[in-house]
Amino acid sequence: EAQVTQNPRYLITVTGKKLTVTCSQNMNHEYMSWYRQDPGLGLRQIYYSMNVEVTDKGDVPEGYKVSRKEKRNFPLILESPSPNQTSLYFCASSLIKGTSTDTQYFGPGTRLTVL
Amino acid sequence: SQKIEQNSEALNIQEGKTATLTCNYTNYSPAYLQWYRQDPGRGPVFLLLIRENEKEKRKERLKVTFDTTLKQSLFHITASQPADSATYLCALAPLGTYKYIFGTGTRLKVLA
Repeated sequence: EAQVTQNPRYLITVTGKKLTVTCSQNMNHEYMSWYRQDPGLGLRQIYYSMNVEVTDKGDVPEGYKVSRKEKRNFPLILESPSPNQTSLYFCASSLIKGTSTDTQYFGPGTRLTVL
Repeated sequence: SQKIEQNSEALNIQEGKTATLTCNYTNYSPAYLQWYRQDPGRGPVFLLLIRENEKEKRKERLKVTFDTTLKQSLFHITASQPADSATYLCALAPLGTYKYIFGTGTRLKVLA
């Protein structure tokens, strides 16, 4: 089954404790992206990757890191989480960004709480 | 400033009626615009994409229009059903970037 998976689905942590949220897709997609979703603010793009070893900042990259060493995986790293990073996080992928058949497939989400 | 706006008020309509949702944007020149459906606690699901040179796109009971002069897209669900109740998000891809910009979404509730 074609899908985007994220782990963990739920995470409660404390300020300053480094964490990684994993994202994997099995559709051989080139483009992958991370979003956070907050009430009243909608989905905001954190980072995206056009292909392996090619990443760039979205609109809210502060406090986050990403890497794309393999095509299927795009982990999100919070080196020193803070309470304002409490949010619902989504990973997404699409075959090729910028084409008229562009369709993003989203993962199930990771609900992160930073105390 | 650049922004994309959807009606943040919830939209309640009677079953069988047509729901119309609005997406307005300013200061963007999108190559295309997408609509997604999101159910509570789940990831968005892609519904339709419309390009800047297309006026209208249809898929079953869904119809999207795109007016680049008005900087507006309308999303219609005809013969609405309670199962259509969800939040609907519009997203655009600004020309010359590899980003996506999402609206805050409109919550639709179809009453039986």
